[in-house]
Amino acid sequence: DAGVIQSPRHEVTEMGQEVTLRCKPISGHNSLFWYRQTMMRGLELLIYFNNNVPIDDSGMPEDRFSAKMPNASFSTLKIQPSEPRDSAVYFCASSLWTDRVNTEAFFGQGTRLTVV
Amino acid sequence: AQKITQTQPGMFVQEKEAVTLDCTYDTSDQSYGLFWYKQPSSGEMIFLIYQGSYDEQNATEGRYSLNFQKARKSANLVISASQLGDSAMYFCAMGGSRGSTLGRLYFGRGTQLTVWP
Repeated sequence: DAGVIQSPRHEVTEMGQEVTLRCKPISGHNSLFWYRQTMMRGLELLIYFNNNVPIDDSGMPEDRFSAKMPNASFSTLKIQPSEPRDSAVYFCASSLWTDRVNTEAFFGQGTRLTVV
Repeated sequence: AQKITQTQPGMFVQEKEAVTLDCTYDTSDQSYGLFWYKQPSSGEMIFLIYQGSYDEQNATEGRYSLNFQKARKSANLVISASQLGDSAMYFCAMGGSRGSTLGRLYFGRGTQLTVWP
């Protein structure tokens, strides 16, 4: 398996523009996570899906952020409009949820977003 | 509430020595999983080791072992025979199993490990 695939790897955009980050989880995994990492706040969970259904989006900072998972093999995280404070590394991760706990989550390479 | 605490912002160890990175957690779940990840300067998150709360044996993966003390709610990572390539940020994480924690992974703030020759 190719692992979790994120695109783009780097994104530089101007304030006010829409940004869409993409993620393809590992085939067979049923949980998907979007994290944001900054020096100040560390790793923050933005939202996670189980069987394509959003379970907890309490970490989504504002209405400017939205995430979708239309099927088991694709998810997007959209920021509209983007602001300089959104600059961070965004990780997507997937895991297999059983009836007890998650197995290990595998992370994508991350998208480094810079909003100028 | 679920919480992961890593009290060591930075650790230093000499090459070939063993090092222990501390992690404590707080949960009311009976069933949960504990994970350690490595993040080198290149930025990727690399899974290292997993411990289930019902596992009686401490997990081991090569030079990595997890010192799991359930009563103390600690899950320390032990790296034996440190190598220069072990220099990285290390994150402890926990997966919940019910209610609002269902499926969620909680991460600590990380420990920056530096291995010197």
